[in-house]
Amino acid sequence: DAGITQSPRHKVTETGTPVTLRCHQTENHRYMYWYRQDPGHGLRLIHYSYGVKDTDKGEVSDGYSVSRSKTEDFLLTLESATSSQTSVYFCAIRPSGTYNEQFFGPGTRLTVL
Amino acid sequence: QQQVKQSPQSLIVQKGGISIINCAYENTAFDYFPWYQQFPGKGPALLIAIRPDVSEKKEGRFTISFNKSAKQFSLHIMDSQPGDSATYFCAASMSGATNKLIFGTGTLLAVQP
Repeated sequence: DAGITQSPRHKVTETGTPVTLRCHQTENHRYMYWYRQDPGHGLRLIHYSYGVKDTDKGEVSDGYSVSRSKTEDFLLTLESATSSQTSVYFCAIRPSGTYNEQFFGPGTRLTVL
Repeated sequence: QQQVKQSPQSLIVQKGGISIINCAYENTAFDYFPWYQQFPGKGPALLIAIRPDVSEKKEGRFTISFNKSAKQFSLHIMDSQPGDSATYFCAASMSGATNKLIFGTGTLLAVQP
């Protein structure tokens, strides 16, 4: 899992509540990514970061925000969770010096009731 | 144009057989094509990747075949084993500051003993 931890690993929450997922890496990689995985859709990019406080949107960013105040942590926040955000969320890193080899964490399974 | 189309959705192969999974893309700017393997409850793991300057890349029992003119690439698993049973995702990306990966929808492979 490339030195990536995600927390929590499982979460059940209710519609309308805020949720923050954490991705932590131990190797000071510059590039970090958040994806969601849903049946029939593969993995889709939510947001990515190319450095501390440098973030940008992916293809499915609506309803999500991110923050990166330290190299090692990339946080994904659902400001007001909806049932459509029930998914498995994966964090990934891209080591510098590679073309685009991305390595994924173990994932967080989020259920929004 | 940003899509990557993957087929089949599921595949059953006998032990010792050849598993073949296909992907097609439209965007000719894509220049990196990885395959990921995912076991239940785990994050996707990078299996093998190819750049368009070669038509084939082999690593052990896994081979990527790449057809630039047809805009297609495929994963071949030789001598398939029950331990290869997993979901496989193709992906594509293009050069740039962020190197975002566009994933196919996945193929569930079952290798029967």
